[in-house]
Amino acid sequence: GEEVAQTPKHLVRGEGQKAKLYCAPIKGHSYVFWYQQVLKNEFKFLISFQNENVFDETGMPKERFSAKCLPNSPCSLEIQATKLEDSAVYFCASSPTGLAGTADTQYFGPGTRLTVL
Amino acid sequence: KNQVEQSPQSLIILEGKNCTLQCNYTVSPFSNLRWYKQDTGRGPVSLTIMTFSENTKSNGRYTATLDADTKQSSLHITASQLSDSASYICVPGGAGNMLTFGGGTRLMVKP
Repeated sequence: GEEVAQTPKHLVRGEGQKAKLYCAPIKGHSYVFWYQQVLKNEFKFLISFQNENVFDETGMPKERFSAKCLPNSPCSLEIQATKLEDSAVYFCASSPTGLAGTADTQYFGPGTRLTVL
Repeated sequence: KNQVEQSPQSLIILEGKNCTLQCNYTVSPFSNLRWYKQDTGRGPVSLTIMTFSENTKSNGRYTATLDADTKQSSLHITASQLSDSASYICVPGGAGNMLTFGGGTRLMVKP
């Protein structure tokens, strides 16, 4: 597709429950990025993939967060045992190449709003 | 530590007026500077991307400038429209795929 698709649009979980978010990148884009946006537009980089391989996971809280991009499937971001501070909007972005140094545009999806109660 | 400061935090202008948003950054290494527009409840949309050697880039009524020596960028919006009401985010790009996002300027255009 020509747009990054994210599902669901909204997700509500009780503290301690699992949350799973999905992202379908633009066809032909090799790189997928996940970001967490909390208050006041603060975007935090979580993880990036080159096709199905993890490219950079320096932003991932590894204890409870995991992500996958498998062939012929949407990418996913899973949070085990959610905490109140996980409440945020999670954005997925894709780009033809993954390198910020190449000035390649990252195309963002509409986001999934996760609310942990 | 990479940092991006945007000013003002919020701005209200009348339709048809111009405005300029500022961005100061300390990102190293630095390779490019992006401006994104984010409407409420939506994902950011790219407006301009400038490499470190470019000084200015335009996209319709949006003109971005970059001074890589002083680590400053600006986004100028000409003849504002109601649809320009959004957050504008300055995003310096560094090594690899690392982007550092500013806190954004929230612009409201009033009729």
